[in-house]
Amino acid sequence: DAKTTQPTSMDCAEGRAANLPCNHSTISGNEYVYWYRQIHSQGPQYIIHGLKNNETNEMASLIITEDRKSSTLILPHATLRDTAVYYCIAMYMDSSYKLIFGSGTRLLVRP
Amino acid sequence: NAGVTQTPKFRVLKTGQSMTLLCAQDMNHEYMYWYRQDPGMGLRLIHYSVGEGTTAKGEVPDGYNVSRLKKQNFLLGLESAAPSQTSVYFCASREYLAGGTDTQYFGPGTRLTVL
Repeated sequence: DAKTTQPTSMDCAEGRAANLPCNHSTISGNEYVYWYRQIHSQGPQYIIHGLKNNETNEMASLIITEDRKSSTLILPHATLRDTAVYYCIAMYMDSSYKLIFGSGTRLLVRP
Repeated sequence: NAGVTQTPKFRVLKTGQSMTLLCAQDMNHEYMYWYRQDPGMGLRLIHYSVGEGTTAKGEVPDGYNVSRLKKQNFLLGLESAAPSQTSVYFCASREYLAGGTDTQYFGPGTRLTVL
C-alpha cells in the first residue's frame, strides 16, 4: 500500500470550508484513496473514497489530481462537530481490503 | 440494527492474565477486523477475517489470537497479557456493494489496561 503524507494539524473557522490535503506520490493504478475521521475517543467513521474521479457525498468532496499523486478532502461548511483526526489512506482492492492508518491530520474547527 | 458492538468497554488485567474481547455485528458482513490504537497514534491492524471460519494476520499479530466461528462474531484473545498490550481496541466490519459502497464500520472500542 502506498504511503500517505498529511499535515499534522490544521484549523479553520466554523462555517468556512476545510481543505485537508494528502500526498500519495507512490500510489499505484489500482489503489483507492479513502478518508476516515475519528472524533475523540470514538471509533473511526468513513467519509468518502475515490479512484480517479472527484467524488461528492453528503459529508464531503474528494478532489484527486489528474496524476493521482495527491488529493484534497473538502468539508464545505465546517462545524464544531467536525473537529477530529482525519485519516487519508491508500488501499488496494485486494482480497483483504485492509486499511493502513497513518497519523492523520488533527482538524480544529474554531467558533 | 445495533451495528458493531464490543464487549467489554473497559478492562484492567494483571500481567499474565488472559481475556477475550468480543465483537459482534448484525449487518451480515463477511469481513471483520481487529485494530489497536495507542495514545497519539493511528490504528494498527492486528488480525482480520474474510469470512466465517477464516482468519489472517495483520500488521501487529504477536501476542493475540482470533476466532470467527460465527459470521456475526469475531473474538480477540490475549493468552498472557503484557503491559505493552495496554491500548484501545477497535473492531470493524466491512460493507461492500458493487457499484460504490465500500465502508468499514467501527465499534466504540475497548479500553484495556495491563498492570
